[in-house]
Amino acid sequence: DIQMTQSPPSLSASIGDRVTIACRASHVISNYVAWIQQKPGKAPKSLIYAASRLQSGVPSRFSGLRSGTDFNLTISSLQPEDFATYYCQQYHTYPFTFGPGTKVDIK
Amino acid sequence: QVQLMQSGVEVKNAGASVKVSCKASGYTFTSYGVSWVRQAPGQGFEWMGWIAPYNGNTEYAQKFQDRVKMSIDTATDTVDLEVRGLTSGDTAVYYCARGGARYDSFDYWGQGTLVTVSS
Repeated sequence: DIQMTQSPPSLSASIGDRVTIACRASHVISNYVAWIQQKPGKAPKSLIYAASRLQSGVPSRFSGLRSGTDFNLTISSLQPEDFATYYCQQYHTYPFTFGPGTKVDIK
Repeated sequence: QVQLMQSGVEVKNAGASVKVSCKASGYTFTSYGVSWVRQAPGQGFEWMGWIAPYNGNTEYAQKFQDRVKMSIDTATDTVDLEVRGLTSGDTAVYYCARGGARYDSFDYWGQGTLVTVSS
């Protein structure tokens, strides 16, 4: 199975901060990576697909980047509603696999 | 708008089976595949499999191959997930999500269904 690793496991940030979360795939998966947001007790929400394309309705402060098997999610200016856990996911090869998540909380 | 509405909380004994439903609305049901993903308490996500409502093709994670069945009802735009031989390790929130064919991401998710297995 393709392993997805994320760093950091958690981070503390302030409103307005620029935040970047990293994800690395264990195999070449082209750009078939999605980023998913989950708030406590809530269903997941898809933010980004194809490494850098925003899902409909997702604010433009979210962006994604790919370099080889490394992927980044950046929030350009953190807003109160962005405090959540973020997961990367590959959909290149079955079984689809997810990173362990990065929890973003308030400093 | 696209919605995936899942059935309610389930409490089962070990060894039993459970069926979770996911009713789609707001789009042409047969145009998109549906996947099932589960999340154990305090844990990350685990992809279970995918079904194509347009032809009934399925792809299951090897881990679940022998215990899981996904099915569709095009009359009600519903996808069902059945898990047999439940153990305490199957206690989780089960989500359906639109998408999941190879090279196809998820875009919409259901609200989740908590399945608790008591031993």
